[in-house]
Amino acid sequence: GENVEQHPSTLSVQEGDSAVIKCTYSDSASNYFPWYKQELGKRPQLIIDIRSNVGEKKDQRIAVTLNKTAKHFSLHITETQPEDSAVYFCAASGGNKLVFGAGTILRVKS
Amino acid sequence: EAQVTQNPRYLITVTGKKLTVTCSQNMNHEYMSWYRQDPGLGLRQIYYSMNVEVTDKGDVPEGYKVSRKEKRNFPLILESPSPNQTSLYFCASAPGTNSNTEAFFGQGTRLTVV
Repeated sequence: GENVEQHPSTLSVQEGDSAVIKCTYSDSASNYFPWYKQELGKRPQLIIDIRSNVGEKKDQRIAVTLNKTAKHFSLHITETQPEDSAVYFCAASGGNKLVFGAGTILRVKS
Repeated sequence: EAQVTQNPRYLITVTGKKLTVTCSQNMNHEYMSWYRQDPGLGLRQIYYSMNVEVTDKGDVPEGYKVSRKEKRNFPLILESPSPNQTSLYFCASAPGTNSNTEAFFGQGTRLTVV
């Protein structure tokens, strides 16, 4: 079955700096790759997603890149702000199951 | 308001006492699923359902049951809870009959089994 690995497990950045979170997946049949943000005590919420026919997608300060050959995808947050502090999860889906990475705790220091 | 509602939000129970966590969505979504969240392990899928009367195992189904008798409801049943099922549980729904669309999560149920 699918296995998703996520790095780093924790990430501290200074406000205004960029943050990058990387994920790798194992199943070449996976074709949908969402990213979820979970604030403390809250439910996960989708922030951006990408499908296998696209190499990059951007939404304001957030971008995701996908390399299907290498089976990895990354989340890029630019100009980080304190409200970006949260746990971020990557995930991969081939249609039936959604498999999540272990999560990255992002701390933005002001 | 479009939402996924889980009940209860918090539950403390004893080993072996059957319990049900309810999940209901008002968005007419076909796909529903249950996850458990444990520190360092992320969200792991327990069961999912692609439509009414269609359910299948996720990655950690042992000790759990589900049913999907109607589109809006997807209860999670623990027939004989054990301490290793202490966790934070999330129900989610998604449009379409697969997991390739945005998942909308409920507010979570924190379960403690003593």
